[in-house]
Amino acid sequence: NAGVTQTPKFQVLKTGQSMTLQCAQDMNHEYMSWYRQDPGMGLRLIHYSVGAGITDQGEVPNGYNVSRSTTEDFPLRLLSAAPSQTSVYFCASSLKTGTIYGYTFGSGTRLTVV
Amino acid sequence: ILNVEQSPQSLHVQEGDSTNFTCSFPSSNFYALHWYRWETAKSPEALFVMTLNGDEKKKGRISATLNTKEGYSYLYIKGSQPEDSATYLCARNTGNQFYFGTGTSLTVIP
Repeated sequence: NAGVTQTPKFQVLKTGQSMTLQCAQDMNHEYMSWYRQDPGMGLRLIHYSVGAGITDQGEVPNGYNVSRSTTEDFPLRLLSAAPSQTSVYFCASSLKTGTIYGYTFGSGTRLTVV
Repeated sequence: ILNVEQSPQSLHVQEGDSTNFTCSFPSSNFYALHWYRWETAKSPEALFVMTLNGDEKKKGRISATLNTKEGYSYLYIKGSQPEDSATYLCARNTGNQFYFGTGTSLTVIP
């Protein structure tokens, strides 16, 4: 049981490049989400999904796209990377949508945009 | 309105000391509060989920209380050990979204 797997762990991009951060979970979790962590800001929600085919925006969605074609995978796409997107990205999932279900986090992706 | 505040930002204690820190959140439209433990170079791990006013949860030497009427939760660590060194996050859950605080960084000095 691998939990939540994120790839890559580290990435350096040039401004304007695009890339996809991968997230996969093998726990049959309904709910998946992407966060970014910046110094002094805490974890901020980018996008989330309550099930396959359903996605919605979080607190800071601009510059990012997501899709959820399967229950297991929830990739995050940076369309045209900007230095402001330099951050640590975490994927997190929970069994179901709802207040009592806690997150299982991935190990994070450290992204630098130069 | 949705901000979750944690204090102090960082804390250094001696091994064996007991300590506590605070999570404050808007008291209106409360659903649930979660606590996470985040060790350096690892991912956050769930500690507690609290939903009812007056809830008290315990896991070993760590416990938490919840006051939804005044909008705060306390996390207590009894007899701190070096392995307790981590950042402790709280998060307000509204059903579909979590709103995280910036965490309290705890360092336990041997």
